[in-house]
Amino acid sequence: KAGVTQTPRYLIKTRGQQVTLSCSPISGHRSVSWYQQTPGQGLQFLFEYFSETQRNKGNFPGRFSGRQFSNSRSEMNVSTLELGDSALYLCASSSLTSGSYNEQFFGPGTRLTVL
Amino acid sequence: DQQVKQNSPSLSVQEGRISILNCDYTNSMFDYFLWYKKYPAEGPTFLISISSIKDKNEDGRFTVFLNKSAKHLSLHIVPSQPGDSAVYFCAASETGANSKLTFGKGITLSVRP
Repeated sequence: KAGVTQTPRYLIKTRGQQVTLSCSPISGHRSVSWYQQTPGQGLQFLFEYFSETQRNKGNFPGRFSGRQFSNSRSEMNVSTLELGDSALYLCASSSLTSGSYNEQFFGPGTRLTVL
Repeated sequence: DQQVKQNSPSLSVQEGRISILNCDYTNSMFDYFLWYKKYPAEGPTFLISISSIKDKNEDGRFTVFLNKSAKHLSLHIVPSQPGDSAVYFCAASETGANSKLTFGKGITLSVRP
């Protein structure tokens, strides 16, 4: 099976702009989660989508949003970018039928730099 | 408030010896724990997990131990190999929020040849 793919891999934006990141989960996986990784805060949970519905949400401002399509692909959007949004954004997918409870498979990430 | 803590930022061990990576948590609602390994420019890769109903889980060279009363878990790698050099993250989740993983800040393991 192909792994989790994320596009683009690298992105440079300026403050105030908005950005959309894309994630394609492993085939058959219906749950997609997003995480932000920064040197200071480590890996932090943004939100999780399952069957096109947001099921869990982390402690991030409303500028961070996401959605999931019927084919389980997911996008996350960050509006009004701030310098502090510079980070590695990771997407992970999981299958509820997996024998490994809650095992999540991560993509390579999108490196966002805000100037 | 950091609910999952990996207090040592780095660890260096000799090839062939045991690596012990520690993790502490504060949220008593956590009932499932995972270890991930991460190389630069790649996403985390799942290594091993343990449910709170167990105190040990083994997979090849990797063993995870869970001490619920101390809210402590550890990852043992025996024998350590140079290819094990990476950043290791401890993560936890709780029933009802299964896909929300709370991560520690990671520990950098260096295995010297």
